[in-house]
Amino acid sequence: SAVISQKPSRDICQRGTSLTIQCQVDSQVTMMFWYRQQPGQSLTLIATANQGSEATYESGFVIDKFPISRPNLTFSTLTVSNMSPEDSSIYLCSVVSRGQMSMNTEAFFGQGTRLTVV
Amino acid sequence: AQSVAQPEDQVNVAEGNPLTVKCTYSVSGNPYLFWYVQYPNRGLQFLLKYITGDNLVKGSYGFEAEFNKSQTSFHLKKPSALVSDSALYFCAVRDNGGATNKLIFGTGTLLAVQP
Repeated sequence: SAVISQKPSRDICQRGTSLTIQCQVDSQVTMMFWYRQQPGQSLTLIATANQGSEATYESGFVIDKFPISRPNLTFSTLTVSNMSPEDSSIYLCSVVSRGQMSMNTEAFFGQGTRLTVV
Repeated sequence: AQSVAQPEDQVNVAEGNPLTVKCTYSVSGNPYLFWYVQYPNRGLQFLLKYITGDNLVKGSYGFEAEFNKSQTSFHLKKPSALVSDSALYFCAVRDNGGATNKLIFGTGTLLAVQP
């Protein structure tokens, strides 16, 4: 398993500002994923972040709004840009361990960042 | 496209009674199915998975799940519920149609165990 630290755990932000969320893993991992969980909803994948390449965004999510960095195999950041109240959600980082990326590999999750935009 | 459905928004059960949280799936090809639990103000924790083999899969915290191919179901079960099992439960399926093999989650079922 992997231990994932996510910062901040929660924040209250003003609309129009940006917030960068950090995800640190205790081991090298191949793939990192960023999810959004809106209030009372399920998880929706925002993008997949691989080290050394640009993130792959899901339909409905764009790089200008959610820029992602993946500088090495243990770290990634997600920025929520030009925030509006509709961006109020829990944002979760998820990883699949290096060398184990296959269909039957479970993913591990950080504790999440609870974002409230006012 | 792969998908999972959790037909119940909430399941209520008395402590000590057996519990079932339902999940049905729709996949092309072999299904790779997972259950996760989310406690309040926490991230998701992996419970168990079905890949192949025995239809009854055992996981963490005394949970198990039964894979039923004919009914395309993967229901989560526990013989005797605890109050501490109260949480949000997500069923998920691996998307085998894309490059990232991402997980696709159901809408979640809130389990409430009454003392």
